[in-house]
Amino acid sequence: NAGVTQTPKFQVLKTGQSMTLQCAQDMNHNSMYWYRQDPGMGLRLIYYSASEGTTDKGEVPNGYNVSRLNKREFSLRLESAAPSQTSVYFCASSGLYYRNEQFFGPGTRLTVL
Amino acid sequence: AQKITQTQPGMFVQEKEAVTLDCTYDTSDPSYGLFWYKQPSSGEMIFLIYQGSYDQQNATEGRYSLNFQKARKSANLVISASQLGDSAMYFCAMREGNTGNQFYFGTGTSLTVIP
Repeated sequence: NAGVTQTPKFQVLKTGQSMTLQCAQDMNHNSMYWYRQDPGMGLRLIYYSASEGTTDKGEVPNGYNVSRLNKREFSLRLESAAPSQTSVYFCASSGLYYRNEQFFGPGTRLTVL
Repeated sequence: AQKITQTQPGMFVQEKEAVTLDCTYDTSDPSYGLFWYKQPSSGEMIFLIYQGSYDQQNATEGRYSLNFQKARKSANLVISASQLGDSAMYFCAMREGNTGNQFYFGTGTSLTVIP
């Protein structure tokens, strides 16, 4: 089992460029999440998907879009990157119930110049 | 109001000593889960321990235990016999049973183990 995989691991963009962060899980989880983590701060939820076909905004959705492509894959798109989006991005997945923990991907370190 | 509060930005502990990392939570949902994660300097998020709201006993996983005080809404992580490899950020998180799929994270505590 690979668990949760994310690509790419590192990315440098120029202001205004677009990119998509890919995430996939092989644990048959219904719920998937995208977080950003800035230095000295905890995790902030960008978007999440409770199940295939549904997505919901989290705490900091502005400037991002998501697609739950199927049960396995959940992508995060930056349409027009800004320096404020420089961060480490984590994808996570979880089972349906409150006792189910989240499993995290290794993270993507994004720098926007 | 904050769902999860971690009031200790940084903690130091001597190697082989025990340390307690504080976490308080806020919910009116009777069904919830509490989680602790470790994030070493390499960046990955590692699940450590889980406590359910209906669990009668405090959770334990090896050197990790959770001091769960439901009436006080606290879920402190206790690490016994600290090791140098325990130096990391530690995050407390909560998931409510009846109000969706979100996890709420605290801002974390940075633990440094001193040799």
